[in-house]
Amino acid sequence: DQQVKQNSPSLSVQEGRISILNCDYTNSMFDYFLWYKKYPAEGPTFLISISSIKDKNEDGRFTVFLNKSAKHLSLHIVPSQPGDSAVYFCAARSMGNTPLVFGKGTRLSVIA
Amino acid sequence: DSGVTQTPKHLITATGQRVTLRCSPRSGDLSVYWYQQSLDQGLQFLIQYYNGEERAKGNILERFSAQQFPDLHSELNLSSLELGDSALYFCASSVGGQAYEQYFGPGTRLTVT
Repeated sequence: DQQVKQNSPSLSVQEGRISILNCDYTNSMFDYFLWYKKYPAEGPTFLISISSIKDKNEDGRFTVFLNKSAKHLSLHIVPSQPGDSAVYFCAARSMGNTPLVFGKGTRLSVIA
Repeated sequence: DSGVTQTPKHLITATGQRVTLRCSPRSGDLSVYWYQQSLDQGLQFLIQYYNGEERAKGNILERFSAQQFPDLHSELNLSSLELGDSALYFCASSVGGQAYEQYFGPGTRLTVT
């Protein structure tokens, strides 16, 4: 049973436009959410996170939105750049010493 | 560069064999996590060590074991290997014992033939 779902395996966006990556979760005990970016032949790199007490967190071109009632979060990248082309993983954890649960990832291609 | 190192980068071995993957965490990090990423799958958490002690266990097979040494490096031992064990194995580290932001190594690609 997948607790964290990224339903779009891939996304293609033109350079300069907005990229929106989506993530749904089923476990209502999740209280902290993270996005990781992964380039080929490298490990995932932490990008941005959000606590369940917030509904938005911004860091430069990256903004994460959390809709708790819908159990949905999204990552917005504005403007998208070719260097943003990578696989993006959504992850979540619940309180206490619980491990991160990852989605399967969405491959973003930013076309120049 | 995350500061987490993993060796070897690639490993090819036969079914039934045993291998050891090694991970050195970032300087100052006390927690080490091991993940498996199979084809088209997300990262599956295997096990966490914190300051030498097992802290959390995920979907780790009985054929797999891990340990964290006094210098905080960690090893993941995979034995009686099967074709289905072919995957990318990532190590991650964090300062504390709670799984917030983790820093990942480049991974070890294991191919079982």
